[in-house]
Amino acid sequence: QKEVEQNSGPLSVPEGAIASLNCTYSDRGSQSFFWYRQYSGKSPELIMFIYSNGDKEDGRFTAQLNKASQYVSLLIRDSQPSDSATYLCAVRYGGSQGNLIFGKGTKLSVKP
Amino acid sequence: GAVVSQHPSWVICKSGTSVKIECRSLDFQATTMFWYRQFPKQSLMLMATSNEGSKATYEQGVEKDKFLINHASLTLSTLTVTSAHPEDSSFYICSARGPITDTQYFGPGTRLTVL
Repeated sequence: QKEVEQNSGPLSVPEGAIASLNCTYSDRGSQSFFWYRQYSGKSPELIMFIYSNGDKEDGRFTAQLNKASQYVSLLIRDSQPSDSATYLCAVRYGGSQGNLIFGKGTKLSVKP
Repeated sequence: GAVVSQHPSWVICKSGTSVKIECRSLDFQATTMFWYRQFPKQSLMLMATSNEGSKATYEQGVEKDKFLINHASLTLSTLTVTSAHPEDSSFYICSARGPITDTQYFGPGTRLTVL
C-alpha cells in the first residue's frame, strides 16, 4: 500500500514565525518529492520539488528530505498571513513516469 | 512556463445532461494528463490517467462509461461527465506532465454543480 501521511492540522503559527510541515511516505524506492500549496477553492500550485537527501532552499521555503527515515518536510520562514493554505505533500512512486500519490494535506493558518 | 488551462472554470447544469471540460497545456507538450476530483474539505482524488493517443487508465471505483476521457493531442485532454447527477457536483482539476520532466502542473479547476 503506497501511503503518504501528513498531519491534517490545523497548524497555527504567528506572523513572522517559522512554519514546519511534515510528511512521511511508505515506499523506500521513491525518488521524487513535491510540495504543493492549495488555497481554499483553488487548485494546487507547485512550490518545490526535491530529489536528493538534505535541504533545498527557494526564497522563504526550504524542503528537507531524509530518505533513510522516509521523511520530507517543508519549512516556511517569516510566515505571512498569505501563506495560510493547505499544503500537500506528493511522492512519485514507480520511477520517473509513475504517478504522484498525495497526502491529505496540512492546513496552515498564519495569524497576524 | 508550464501553464495549464481549463475551461470552463465553472458550470451549472441540469441532472441528466452531459458536461465537457477541456484541459490544455499552453507552453509544453503534455504526454500524460491526469484528472482529479475534490469534494469540499476533502483531499484530491485521482480519477484517471491519460496518455496521448491511448485509452485512459481509470482508478478503482471510477466509472469509465460515465467519465469519458479523450487525450487526442499533446496539448488537449477532455473529460466528459455523462448523464450528470447532483452527486457528481464537485471540483474537477486536471494536471499535466511533459515528456522529460516528472513535475505535474495543475490547471485552475472546474467547479461543476448539477441541479
